[in-house]
Amino acid sequence: AQSVAQPEDQVNVAEGNPLTVKCTYSVSGNPYLFWYVQYPNRGLQFLLKYITGDNLVKGSYGFEAEFNKSQTSFHLKKPSALVSDSALYFCAVRDMNTGNQFYFGTGTSLTVIP
Amino acid sequence: GAGVSQTPSNKVTEKGKYVELRCDPISGHTALYWYRQSLGQGPEFLIYFQGTGAADDSGLPNDRFFAVRPEGSVSTLKIQRTERGDSAVYLCASSPQRGNNEQFFGPGTRLTVL
Repeated sequence: AQSVAQPEDQVNVAEGNPLTVKCTYSVSGNPYLFWYVQYPNRGLQFLLKYITGDNLVKGSYGFEAEFNKSQTSFHLKKPSALVSDSALYFCAVRDMNTGNQFYFGTGTSLTVIP
Repeated sequence: GAGVSQTPSNKVTEKGKYVELRCDPISGHTALYWYRQSLGQGPEFLIYFQGTGAADDSGLPNDRFFAVRPEGSVSTLKIQRTERGDSAVYLCASSPQRGNNEQFFGPGTRLTVL
């Protein structure tokens, strides 16, 4: 069965430090992988995606993510965190070979401490 | 340009009542998705439209839930005989086409069933 796991409910990082938000996935075929961010009282916003090609994907607001097929992971990273990055982050996956469903993780709340 | 809009933003109803939730996708987007997001959870897929037809309704939890998109643009999610467990934020998203494109999410409708 397809699924996404975000093992950390909460991540705290000091401003200026690198941040990582973890995501692992399970699909029967090849994955489409996405990261979305949700600010309070706002809709989910697209950050970046992996479809095929280079394993390192760069997205909005300086975020990047690395697709690791052997570890079935797609961790979100940023070299230097900003206070304004504080938000709820969701990883999502779609199995290329089956169906139309996107599976979302339960979300990770990121707090960047000034 | 205009994003995805959803109305109402909040809906409070009594157990057993019927409700309709509306989604206006981005103009020209052929794919439309409905999700349900409960507190502390990620979005849960309900139904996907490609054009006017429901291409995948496998996420609808039971036959009290139904959605339409008669002209391939606006969609309405309908819930009959609402139950307290239906309380959640209902999200709509649209995409230029299915598959590997990112989805653009609306702000959601918060449904509360008393």
